[in-house]
Amino acid sequence: QQPVQSPQAVILREGEDAVINCSSSKALYSVHWYRQKHGEAPVFLMILLKGGEQKGHEKISASFNEKKQQSSLYLTASQLSYSGTYFCGTDPPPNAGGTSYGKLTFGQGTILTVHP
Amino acid sequence: DGGITQSPKYLFRKEGQNVTLSCEQNLNHDAMYWYRQDPGQGLRLIYYSQIVNDFQKGDIAEGYSVSREKKESFPLTVTSAQKNPTAFYLCASSVADGGYGYTFGSGTRLTVV
Repeated sequence: QQPVQSPQAVILREGEDAVINCSSSKALYSVHWYRQKHGEAPVFLMILLKGGEQKGHEKISASFNEKKQQSSLYLTASQLSYSGTYFCGTDPPPNAGGTSYGKLTFGQGTILTVHP
Repeated sequence: DGGITQSPKYLFRKEGQNVTLSCEQNLNHDAMYWYRQDPGQGLRLIYYSQIVNDFQKGDIAEGYSVSREKKESFPLTVTSAQKNPTAFYLCASSVADGGYGYTFGSGTRLTVV
């Protein structure tokens, strides 16, 4: 089942902050975050593994709460280049052999628009 | 530079015709994936392959077929059985367990006329 992202869209002025949430009804092994510019391929931002760790990428960071089956993406002091659609991709726990399939199920996306 | 190449970028097909979308990677990735993207629906998995000569159906495999005869290549055929094939198709690759994220191709926009 597809993870649910919120909000569906957000509009910011440069320098403002935003949070995008990703929630799953299933247990998770990892959560990926991607950004896609219009008409282009999604670009990998970061991966968060089971364990609640927080990762960072420039002024973009994320957290993963495996107990709540949720992840949040934090965009700080937004720049015009941050505009695009953000997707989370979720990966179920590994099989009994301990191998994750790496087969992601993506959320519906959050459209972020940053204005000057 | 390593990457993943999809061709063609735009494709027009008449109803009732099969069409094959190309996907080639030189990243030495074991796993490859095909996703379909429709407005407001995110990315939906069509097929994926973790190793040569093996592939698995994703969530929306009906009307599609794939092959994985070489590690570098994972072509997708959209058959006439696919009822609504007009969409943006994305190919991706990763290491076997996806642990370093996906690398996506630039996509093929298929339009049925």
